[in-house]
Amino acid sequence: NAGVTQTPKFRVLKTGQSMTLLCAQDMNHEYMYWYRQDPGMGLRLIHYSVGEGTTAKGEVPDGYNVSRLKKQNFLLGLESAAPSQTSVYFCASSRAGTGVRTEAFFGQGTRLTVV
Amino acid sequence: TQLLEQSPQFLSIQEGENLTVYCNSSSVFSSLQWYRQEPGEGPVLLVTVVTGGEVKKLKRLTFQFGDARKDSSLHITAAQPGDTGLYLCAGAFNDMRFGAGTRLTVKP
Repeated sequence: NAGVTQTPKFRVLKTGQSMTLLCAQDMNHEYMYWYRQDPGMGLRLIHYSVGEGTTAKGEVPDGYNVSRLKKQNFLLGLESAAPSQTSVYFCASSRAGTGVRTEAFFGQGTRLTVV
Repeated sequence: TQLLEQSPQFLSIQEGENLTVYCNSSSVFSSLQWYRQEPGEGPVLLVTVVTGGEVKKLKRLTFQFGDARKDSSLHITAAQPGDTGLYLCAGAFNDMRFGAGTRLTVKP
């Protein structure tokens, strides 16, 4: 079982470059999330999606865009990377947004460095 | 300011000791979850609590959801080195928000 797969696992960008992080889940989950994790900050929600074709902003959406054209995929884009976006990015999915079905399954993370 | 406040941020104890970590918020959540994260990995779910006042036990771990569904605690009895890790609470509202975590180190 693949679960949640993130690509790439590591990336180094120069300031101003753009890139897209791909998240794929094979559990037919409705909800998908993108988080960033920085030391001492836990996981902060960037954007999320409650279903195919829908996206919404989280706590720290500035500088990022997302798309959910297919139910199984959730893309995170950085149009013009900044050093402040150096972080570990995690994608997660869950069956629903409330109750016991909110268990989130996480990918392995993408370590992004912007120089 | 994070929606969920966890305390303590760091905790270092000896094997065999008991400990409690806390997760507090001013918001009411439909459910609250505890995750554990190992270095280089994504968080993995330990438990979900849904009902106010609910208590769940997972071997040596006891989880409690506050009556008002705004806070939770995780108690570990007789901690072992294998319990070392980052413990995160997460609340489901319209989305899923995490606390900053408690980094636990259990020394042999």
